[in-house]
Amino acid sequence: GENVEQHPSTLSVQEGDSAVIKCTYSDSASNYFPWYKQELGKGPQLIIDIRSNVGEKKDQRIAVTLNKTAKHFSLHITETQPEDSAVYFCAASISSAGGTSYGKLTFGQGTILTVHP
Amino acid sequence: ETGVTQTPRHLVMGMTNKKSLKCEQHLGHNAMYWYKQSAKKPLELMFVYNFKEQTENNSVPSRFSPECPNSSHLFLHLHTLQPEDSALYLCASSQEGRGTYQETQYFGPGTRLLVL
Repeated sequence: GENVEQHPSTLSVQEGDSAVIKCTYSDSASNYFPWYKQELGKGPQLIIDIRSNVGEKKDQRIAVTLNKTAKHFSLHITETQPEDSAVYFCAASISSAGGTSYGKLTFGQGTILTVHP
Repeated sequence: ETGVTQTPRHLVMGMTNKKSLKCEQHLGHNAMYWYKQSAKKPLELMFVYNFKEQTENNSVPSRFSPECPNSSHLFLHLHTLQPEDSALYLCASSQEGRGTYQETQYFGPGTRLLVL
């Protein structure tokens, strides 16, 4: 089955700096890669996702890049703010083509991001 | 709010107790999921229901019993649990379909379970 590795496990940055979190996956058939943010006492919330037909996607201060050849994808947060502090999870799944997709996401271990004011 | 609610938010139970976790989604989705989140481990998929049919049981012990009476509600019945079952149990929902891409999963806030 799919295996997703996420690094680093903890990341500490100063406000205004950039933060980068990296994930690798094992199954070359995976074609959907979401990123979730989990704040204390809440469930994970989707912040951005990318599909295998694109190499990069941006949404304001957040961007995700995908390298299918190397089987890795990364989350980039620019101009970090204290409210960005949370646990971030990457995930990967295979969306069946022509069949029914049942959303079998495989998650990374998570990265605790701390942004110091 | 994500449109997915879970009750109770916190639960303490003994190993001989029977309890149930409830999840409700208000998003009109057709797929619902149970995940287990333990400290320092990735989220583990436990069960998947699509159109009320269980489509995935990820080798979960029989002391966890899911129930999906309709597309909006999902239960997780617990009995004779072990202390190592203490974790955050998350429910999620999504809209799945034939030939469509993976759709976003929306998570509830979770139930923090402690087994004594």
